[in-house]
Amino acid sequence: EVQLVESGGGLVKPGGSLRLSCVVSGFTFNNAWMSWVRQAPGKGLEWVGRIKSKTDGGTTDYAAPVKGRFTISRDDSKNTLHLQLNSLKTEDTAVYYCTTDLGYDYQRRWGQGTVVTVSS
Amino acid sequence: QSVLTQPPSASGTPGQRVTISCSGSSSNIGSNTVNWYQQLPGTAPKLLIYTNSQRPSGVPDRFSGSKSGTSASLAISGLQSEDEADYSCATWDDSLNGQVFGGGTKLTVL
Repeated sequence: EVQLVESGGGLVKPGGSLRLSCVVSGFTFNNAWMSWVRQAPGKGLEWVGRIKSKTDGGTTDYAAPVKGRFTISRDDSKNTLHLQLNSLKTEDTAVYYCTTDLGYDYQRRWGQGTVVTVSS
Repeated sequence: QSVLTQPPSASGTPGQRVTISCSGSSSNIGSNTVNWYQQLPGTAPKLLIYTNSQRPSGVPDRFSGSKSGTSASLAISGLQSEDEADYSCATWDDSLNGQVFGGGTKLTVL
């Protein structure tokens, strides 16, 4: 059974940092391109960024609102995807979903999400 | 403001056919294939349509997708109460070098 399980969300003050993790099982993680997608309260889905597989270069791409503040990384030995969130702003408040990437399997697989709240 | 434009709401009665539109530009829908997602209240999105018109296994054939130029559409026929959900379109944008989503359409089954 395919599972993507996010963790690490919570309440953080503006300017603070948080590290989200996504543990994957049920498919070959090291071949997969992975993405993070977020959804602010009452709003639509917003792509955060992606990381390609190491065999495809392991490169990352980011959406403009998070570039320079967020970093996506992967630990293939632990089937784990990470999202480091720095310099957080109130507008980063959202549910953060770990997903397989559009360019890998049409973004077929999604985690259940983890909630990040940025507030003083 | 989302890069892809969807109507915020749509509605229909059981058994009816409903369509939801998704409008983009030459750098996104005009150049790449479109996905549709269904998001039931309080749950994660689920892939409904990929590559414009393909259904993952398990998705009923009441759901269909199409694309023409810089626009795409999702059609739901034989509307059922369990179809009440938010529907979002998405594709890659070559100019932004990133994935873009529509703002989502809330479907109400009357």
